[in-house]
Amino acid sequence: EVQLVESGGGLVKPGESLRLSCAASGFSFSSYTMNWVRQAPGKGLEWVSSISSSSSYMYYADSMRGRFTVSRDNAKSSLYLQMNTLTADDTAVYYCARAGYGDQFHFDYWGQGTLVTVSS
Amino acid sequence: DIQMTQSPSSLSASIGDSVTITCRASQNIRNYLSWYQQKPGKAPRLLIYGASSLQSGVPSRFSGGGLGTDFTLTIASLQPEDFATYHCQQTYTIPWTFGQGTKVEIK
Repeated sequence: EVQLVESGGGLVKPGESLRLSCAASGFSFSSYTMNWVRQAPGKGLEWVSSISSSSSYMYYADSMRGRFTVSRDNAKSSLYLQMNTLTADDTAVYYCARAGYGDQFHFDYWGQGTLVTVSS
Repeated sequence: DIQMTQSPSSLSASIGDSVTITCRASQNIRNYLSWYQQKPGKAPRLLIYGASSLQSGVPSRFSGGGLGTDFTLTIASLQPEDFATYHCQQTYTIPWTFGQGTKVEIK
């Protein structure tokens, strides 16, 4: 069974940093592109970042580029998101999601999410 | 960036009704369109990818259609568990973008 479990969320002050983790199991993690998606309270879904299976390619939404860094450790089947210089606008539930096989890049499995709250 | 616009933003329907949600892309995305279902406090669940391919395990009452800029998600014979928010997403070009969501409520 495919499982994605996020951790690392919490309450931080504006300007601080946070590192999210996503532990994967039940599939060959090293074969899949992985993604982060966030959802602010009461709002829609927003793609954050993607990383290819071997970390050759990393992509970011414009509003996060330069502040967020995605990485992965295939030996540990883990995905990470380092978030720096956080602002109130970064308050959201952060989901990790697997991109399915093929060229569609649809997100076929999602974790349960971890809440990040940025407030003074 | 490609803008995804869903309509309606919300709708009320009864058990057994057939409903259709529309998603329009601001430019041609071929068939790079996915649909997700999300219930309150839960993660999204993939329903449809490639505009019309049903994800494994998803009931056949869900169907997707369209190509280019205009897409639909149809739920035939609504069931109690179908009341949720539905999101479309384009994966034609980065940044991947989502529609604003359509909430399906019980009438």
